[in-house]
Amino acid sequence: RKEVEQDPGPFNVPEGATVAFNCTYSNSASQSFFWYRQDCRKEPKLLMSVYSSGNEDGRFTAQLNRASQYISLLIRDSKLSDSATYLCAVNGNTDKLIFGTGTRLQVFP
Amino acid sequence: GAGVSQSPSNKVTEKGKDVELRCDPISGHTALYWYRQRLGQGLEFLIYFQGNSAPDKSGLPSDRFSAERTGESVSTLTIQRTQQEDSAVYLCASSLARADTQYFGPGTRLTVL
Repeated sequence: RKEVEQDPGPFNVPEGATVAFNCTYSNSASQSFFWYRQDCRKEPKLLMSVYSSGNEDGRFTAQLNRASQYISLLIRDSKLSDSATYLCAVNGNTDKLIFGTGTRLQVFP
Repeated sequence: GAGVSQSPSNKVTEKGKDVELRCDPISGHTALYWYRQRLGQGLEFLIYFQGNSAPDKSGLPSDRFSAERTGESVSTLTIQRTQQEDSAVYLCASSLARADTQYFGPGTRLTVL
């Protein structure tokens, strides 16, 4: 089993839709969780950290489910500009961050 | 402040040549990572430096790949006798400490002809 796994998608959603991605991790001792966004032919950029109590930043909500060992990212009122690949990152067995392979989101008009 | 910088931004080389890629991390960041990303693929971990500890080289795909870091500053990734399958974007990231937020450089796009 991979340390961090994501559904590669693509998720094709209309503007205004709500979409959610999950990311599962294997190390129950993981403490650091992040969501990154990567645009085509660009480097990944931090979208948000994921805190135990969950956190929200505008249209974006991140949550952590320790019991089931996954983090989620919810995007409300999707915009065309949200089209990108979303990568999760979790600290793994050796404490370095491990990235998922990413979930591609395509928002259409 | 300045972010992570990488050079060159693009590199075209012939099969069999050696290449050297450079990464300047954010000042004060003790952790530095190298990744490879092939077209349409995810990030492939290559090597990780943390302060003065021995680097984690577990992701290097072959002995043609090596990397060095001078203290907590510049790092160079060297690929010897390049092969066409080495063509990819090589990304560098740095973070304050081990499992902290990573900040990525813009990458070096390597094309091996």
